[in-house]
Amino acid sequence: DGGITQSPKYLFRKEGQNVTLSCEQNLNHDAMYWYRQDPGQGLRLIYYSQIVNDFQKGDIAEGYSVSREKKESFPLTVTSAQKNPTAFYLCATLKPGRTDTQYFGPGTRLTVL
Amino acid sequence: GENVEQHPSTLSVQEGDSAVIKCTYSDSASNYFPWYKQELGKRPQLIIDIRSNVGEKKDQRIAVTLNKTAKHFSLHITETQPEDSAVYFCAARGYSTLTFGKGTMLLVSP
Repeated sequence: DGGITQSPKYLFRKEGQNVTLSCEQNLNHDAMYWYRQDPGQGLRLIYYSQIVNDFQKGDIAEGYSVSREKKESFPLTVTSAQKNPTAFYLCATLKPGRTDTQYFGPGTRLTVL
Repeated sequence: GENVEQHPSTLSVQEGDSAVIKCTYSDSASNYFPWYKQELGKRPQLIIDIRSNVGEKKDQRIAVTLNKTAKHFSLHITETQPEDSAVYFCAARGYSTLTFGKGTMLLVSP
């Protein structure tokens, strides 16, 4: 999981602003995921992409958007439509094979002021 | 879709004791069950996993058991140490995505 980078580590935004979280990987993994983590809620899936130029909604996609123009990059935009965006956001990739191991990036903590 | 329930939400043990965390899942098609450990402010790290064709797997002080009939799986940590203190998440994979439990905060007191 050292091959997954997320930036910035901390992000502050005013209400009504869109913000984009970066996720880059050099692991050559096809599948990438975005999760949101809130205290006591575990990890909830926002969007995922199994291949370039294709992505699917997860359980809590409302108020978020993504793109997958390159294999290495899967940015997440938190739009003003997301009513409670303050959370810890984790990007992950999937190592294909027998165990289907999922690896996580270091995360971005977003705070809405 | 898949639903994963995890218990307990918090678990306090003394150093050297054993700790057991239990999860149940709803989708009988799920076939892969990983466990992650997350320290405060850090990313989740995979500590052990099990596939549906195996009933038990061990790695030093950590073991996972799976009961497909009852649709539950458990994490067992023996001889706990203070550095085991963290939040532990179970997960189940169905077709293409992981569904996570809400986590268990394990506190190991010296």
